[in-house]
Amino acid sequence: NAGVIQTPRHKVTGKGQEATLWCEPISGHSAVFWYRQTIVQGLEFLTYFRNQAPIDDSGMPKERFSAQMPNQSHSTLKIQSTQPQDSAVYLCASSPPDRGDTLYFGEGSRLIVV
Amino acid sequence: GDSVTQTEGLVTLTEGLPVMLNCTYQTIYSNPFLFWYVQHLNESPRLLLKSFTDNKRTEHQGFHATLHKSSSSFHLQKSSAQLSDSALYYCALRGGTGGYKVVFGSGTRLLVSP
Repeated sequence: NAGVIQTPRHKVTGKGQEATLWCEPISGHSAVFWYRQTIVQGLEFLTYFRNQAPIDDSGMPKERFSAQMPNQSHSTLKIQSTQPQDSAVYLCASSPPDRGDTLYFGEGSRLIVV
Repeated sequence: GDSVTQTEGLVTLTEGLPVMLNCTYQTIYSNPFLFWYVQHLNESPRLLLKSFTDNKRTEHQGFHATLHKSSSSFHLQKSSAQLSDSALYYCALRGGTGGYKVVFGSGTRLLVSP
């Protein structure tokens, strides 16, 4: 059973450019989460989908960040006009629907904005 | 909203000594799920253990934790630290009805030396 797949694994982008990160959740998992990980902030919640519907995006910087889940096998996180402070590892996780279920993380996408 | 507090950013121990990592949480939900995730170097976070039941000890891979709703705590313990326990440990909370968002603490880095 393949785990959560994230692409690209590494991305270097210039300040002001756009970055799009992709996530393929584990088949059958109905919940998909996006987190941002930095040494200073740890694991910051960004957004959460259940059955492809956006449930909570309270962690998303509103102006430049957006996330979509167009189908059950694919979610994207888009960052417009990237800034150096966006540099981080972006982690996608999926889980079955029950509240007690484990989150399974992908290997992450390391974004560096220069 | 829900929150998790891990007071120690770094814990350094000598091999063989006991481990205790602190975790307290805040939530309006009466029946939260609490989790400990472990992240080794160059890996993604993975589940270490989880609990839903008040005052019941949960064990996995030599670690244990007990959810105490009276003090809103879920501390992680191990009787004897091993070199391989060196990692980043995150406490996480999944609340009740509705969104089931998973919120992580800021993480505690455990360094075990010979």
